[in-house]
Amino acid sequence: DAGVIQSPRHEVTEMGQEVTLRCKPISGHDYLFWYRQTMMRGLELLIYFNNNVPIDDSGMPEDRFSAKMPNASFSTLKIQPSEPRDSAVYFCASSSGGVNEQFFGPGTRLTVL
Amino acid sequence: DQQVKQNSPSLSVQEGRISILNCDYTNSMFDYFLWYKKYPAEGPTFLISISSIKDKNEDGRFTVFLNKSAKHLSLHIVPSQPGDSAVYFCAARDGGTYKYIFGTGTRLKVLA
Repeated sequence: DAGVIQSPRHEVTEMGQEVTLRCKPISGHDYLFWYRQTMMRGLELLIYFNNNVPIDDSGMPEDRFSAKMPNASFSTLKIQPSEPRDSAVYFCASSSGGVNEQFFGPGTRLTVL
Repeated sequence: DQQVKQNSPSLSVQEGRISILNCDYTNSMFDYFLWYKKYPAEGPTFLISISSIKDKNEDGRFTVFLNKSAKHLSLHIVPSQPGDSAVYFCAARDGGTYKYIFGTGTRLKVLA
């Protein structure tokens, strides 16, 4: 199995631009998680899905952030408009059942200038 | 407020010695705890876990201890190897919401 796939690996954009991060979970996994990693706050859960349905988005920082999961093999995290404080590494993870270990992708390093 | 705290941002240990990484938590609803290891430019990978009904779990060189009364857990690595140099994240699962809360990580450096 290829593991969790994220794209792009690096994204540099200017303030005010729209940014879309992509994730392909491990086949057969029914939970998908989006995290943000910063030095100050570590790994923060932004949102998670179960069977493509958003279950908890209380970690999404603002309305500028949105996430979708149109099918079991694809999810996006969108920031519109982006701001410099959104600069971080964004991870996608998937698991089989919400109670088991999560498998993380390699992350997308986002820099907003 | 951080519900899961890793108060030591970094730790250096000599090869062959024991590494002890600590984690404190505040939420009594946490029922499952995990440790993840992260190398640069990679995502975290699962290392070891422990249920709140146990106080110890061992897997090879890695042992996790849970002290529920103190709301404290620790990861012991014996013997430490240079390949163990990484950032270690402690995570806890809220038994009510099933959300996982991660700490800020501890960077372990094992010196050869």
